[in-house]
Amino acid sequence: DAKTTQPNSMESNEEEPVHLPCNHSTISGTDYIHWYRQLPSQGPEYVIHGLTSNVNNRMASLAIAEDRKSSTLILHRATLRDAAVYYCILRDVEYGGSQGNLIFGKGTKLSVKP
Amino acid sequence: NAGVTQTPKFRVLKTGQSMTLLCAQDMNHEYMYWYRQDPGMGLRLIHYSVGEGTTAKGEVPDGYNVSRLKKQNFLLGLESAAPSQTSVYFCASSRQGPLGTDTQYFGPGTRLTVL
Repeated sequence: DAKTTQPNSMESNEEEPVHLPCNHSTISGTDYIHWYRQLPSQGPEYVIHGLTSNVNNRMASLAIAEDRKSSTLILHRATLRDAAVYYCILRDVEYGGSQGNLIFGKGTKLSVKP
Repeated sequence: NAGVTQTPKFRVLKTGQSMTLLCAQDMNHEYMYWYRQDPGMGLRLIHYSVGEGTTAKGEVPDGYNVSRLKKQNFLLGLESAAPSQTSVYFCASSRQGPLGTDTQYFGPGTRLTVL
């Protein structure tokens, strides 16, 4: 799997938008970009994923650069409950005999101030 | 729909003791995984299963065994616990496994301390 690079930490104010960046300069044409987050003392939870086009769901938006070497997870209005570690993970379209597990880095710890 | 549940939530063991962690999912998923998370680190895969009756080693399998006798359950065993196995253990399940669009659902975790 190609590697991703994220800032160690970010801060945001409540009810303001948050843009969480991820660099993946060695991404291949068949890699999907996934985002998971882990709230304090909980298991990770899926947030969103995309391949080439920007994606929106009820939790967040994913903006993917035209060259796909970077992406940004956008939380439109941060709440205190969004304070978590956010992981950007690449997954190939089809691994064949791969284990299928997610490869987690250290992620970005997002703090939200009231 | 309970999703993925884990039993127990907390456990303290003495070195050399054994225990089994239970993971259950009610989503009829084929794939199940056991990860461990050490402080300040991402999750690492211990063992996984691609279906009932099958298991395979992940990145850090030493000191652990697993079984998947029923599709909905995935058990993680520690035969002789060591302090290095102090960690938070997460179980996950997914429908498609290795495909790029697959998403994983995680349990709440088991915090294990080995003295």
